[in-house]
Amino acid sequence: DVKVTQSSRYLVKRTGEKVFLECVQDMDHENMFWYRQDPGLGLRLIYFSYDVKMKEKGDIPEGYSVSREKKERFSLILESASTNQTSMYLCASSSQGTSLYEQYFGPGTRLTVT
Amino acid sequence: GNSVTQMEGPVTLSEEAFLTINCTYTATGYPSLFWYVQYPGEGLQLLLKATKADDKGSNKGFEATYRKETTSFHLEKGSVQVSDSAVYFCALRASGGYQKVTFGTGTKLQVIP
Repeated sequence: DVKVTQSSRYLVKRTGEKVFLECVQDMDHENMFWYRQDPGLGLRLIYFSYDVKMKEKGDIPEGYSVSREKKERFSLILESASTNQTSMYLCASSSQGTSLYEQYFGPGTRLTVT
Repeated sequence: GNSVTQMEGPVTLSEEAFLTINCTYTATGYPSLFWYVQYPGEGLQLLLKATKADDKGSNKGFEATYRKETTSFHLEKGSVQVSDSAVYFCALRASGGYQKVTFGTGTKLQVIP
């Protein structure tokens, strides 16, 4: 079974702090994604990566950056957390080996910025 | 651009009732279509999929048919159970080998005994 794990289920940070969210997948997937999930807005793509050291902006990249130094790990960084970044963050991965690119999701990190 | 529109929830049904969650999409070409489900406290998981017109995806008693003429992919189940209570997301992946998936806003389903 594909497993995508995220470093924390719940996180509370203060405004202005630098925040790291970590995601690890164990299926050797090439593609990895970071989404945020908000009520009424569904899932919005923040960043994604096709390969190690590669990254592409999604629909809402402002205020975020990412890092992918190893194939299995994709980190989301909030350089200076703000209250409007309070949200559920979901990581996902998919393989380029199939045409469907089915995405596998982690359990999510609920981040609260106070 | 691509977009997915789902019926707003929450949807509340009694056990054994018939379920329909509407989904329509806008996309160029021939997208692949998906339904994902998110159970409480968990991430999303793929429920079913369809890759071309008139395909029917099915899993766990749920079904959805890819209707290109109406650009729809409605989710149905004949008899829901309490354990089906979750949030359901319709999604599409554009044709052309592009890995991005566009999600709808989600529909919360609550099934009461």
